[in-house]
Amino acid sequence: DADVTQTPRNRITKTGKRIMLECSQTKGHDRMYWYRQDPGLGLRLIYYSFDVKDINKGEISDGYSVSRQAQAKFSLSLESAIPNQTALYFCATSRADIQETQYFGPGTRLLVL
Amino acid sequence: DQQVKQNSPSLSVQEGRISILNCDYTNSMFDYFLWYKKYPAEGPTFLISISSIKDKNEDGRFTVFLNKSAKHLSLHIVPSQPGDSAVYFCAASAGSTGNQFYFGTGTSLTVIP
Repeated sequence: DADVTQTPRNRITKTGKRIMLECSQTKGHDRMYWYRQDPGLGLRLIYYSFDVKDINKGEISDGYSVSRQAQAKFSLSLESAIPNQTALYFCATSRADIQETQYFGPGTRLLVL
Repeated sequence: DQQVKQNSPSLSVQEGRISILNCDYTNSMFDYFLWYKKYPAEGPTFLISISSIKDKNEDGRFTVFLNKSAKHLSLHIVPSQPGDSAVYFCAASAGSTGNQFYFGTGTSLTVIP
């Protein structure tokens, strides 16, 4: 079974809709991350969480919110989706030490019409 | 502003030859670097890392070289195999920012049988 899972894997939504992307991990890691990947831009960090009570903004947090429901669960919400949020979204986890390797989920492909 | 750059979007190499993927960075505070490999429809998977106290790290067919004065790192794959065909991302972090990584835009490697 995959260590980091993301649901849904694909999602089509309309402008203005609220959607939630979910991430679960069985690695026992304290830290979790949300990235988006756009063509020509690589992966950019949206939000990250060092533990359940510690949530931080990344490079591109505007238009997004997150919730760390438990050590193993980290969800990303788009309160009012817009077309330029169409992207591939990845969740990742790591141990709590500084500069630890991050382990990625399979990604969620989101299309906002 | 892209702090980590991969200037070659794609690279083709014959099977058995060496593949060299390059990465440049601008932030002199970066002191830990990773390479990830990504297959279609999958999340990035960790390949190899290097810290700034080293100038070389080797793991089987994969070697990463770091030139701090030039703010440049490279990934060498020898010998290249068709299964190495994937997109390769480099990523960098500064210890002072915890585990926030900045990713390059990726290089798509094709190994021709």
